[in-house]
Amino acid sequence: DQQVKQNSPSLSVQEGRISILNCDYTNSMFDYFLWYKKYPAEGPTFLISISSIKDKNEDGRFTVFLNKSAKHLSLHIVPSQPGDSAVYFCAAYSGGGADGLTFGKGTHLIIQP
Amino acid sequence: GAGVSQSPSNKVTEKGKDVELRCDPISGHTALYWYRQSLGQGLEFLIYFQGNSAPDKSGLPSDRFSAERTGGSVSTLTIQRTQQEDSAVYLCASSLGNRGGGNTIYFGEGSWLTVV
Repeated sequence: DQQVKQNSPSLSVQEGRISILNCDYTNSMFDYFLWYKKYPAEGPTFLISISSIKDKNEDGRFTVFLNKSAKHLSLHIVPSQPGDSAVYFCAAYSGGGADGLTFGKGTHLIIQP
Repeated sequence: GAGVSQSPSNKVTEKGKDVELRCDPISGHTALYWYRQSLGQGLEFLIYFQGNSAPDKSGLPSDRFSAERTGGSVSTLTIQRTQQEDSAVYLCASSLGNRGGGNTIYFGEGSWLTVV
């Protein structure tokens, strides 16, 4: 049973527009959420995170929104740039968990010129 | 280098053989993780080491998989009697302290294992 779900395997967005990547979770014990970005043949790199006590965290072009009641978070990238083309993984952590971070399957973002 | 280093970067092995994958975490990081990513799948947790505590092995898929961490630094992931379904990218990561929370984990570039 997947506790972190990214239901869109891929997403295509025009350069300059907003990219919205979605993530749903089922475990109400998750209290910290992270987004990782992965280029082909490279390891994932940390992008942005949010604690469950917040509903928004912003870092430059990247903003993460958290809706705890809906168990949903999203990553907004605006404006989208060609270098943003990558696979984005949503990850969740629970303080009492036994298995570190739980990752989603990832969404492949393609920025079109 | 300053990042997490993994070797080999690529490994092709015959079914039934044993393989060892090595990870050098970032200096000073007490936490070390192994994940794997199979084709079309997300990142799957395997094992977690924190300092001198007993490792959390809850993610290891079978008893053919084992890992050790010597001297609180370098870690080796061993897969015995490899099977084709073991083909995946094996990612090592490290962080300063407790898993998740405010401590970002940093990944290596992965060891690409292909079992033929």
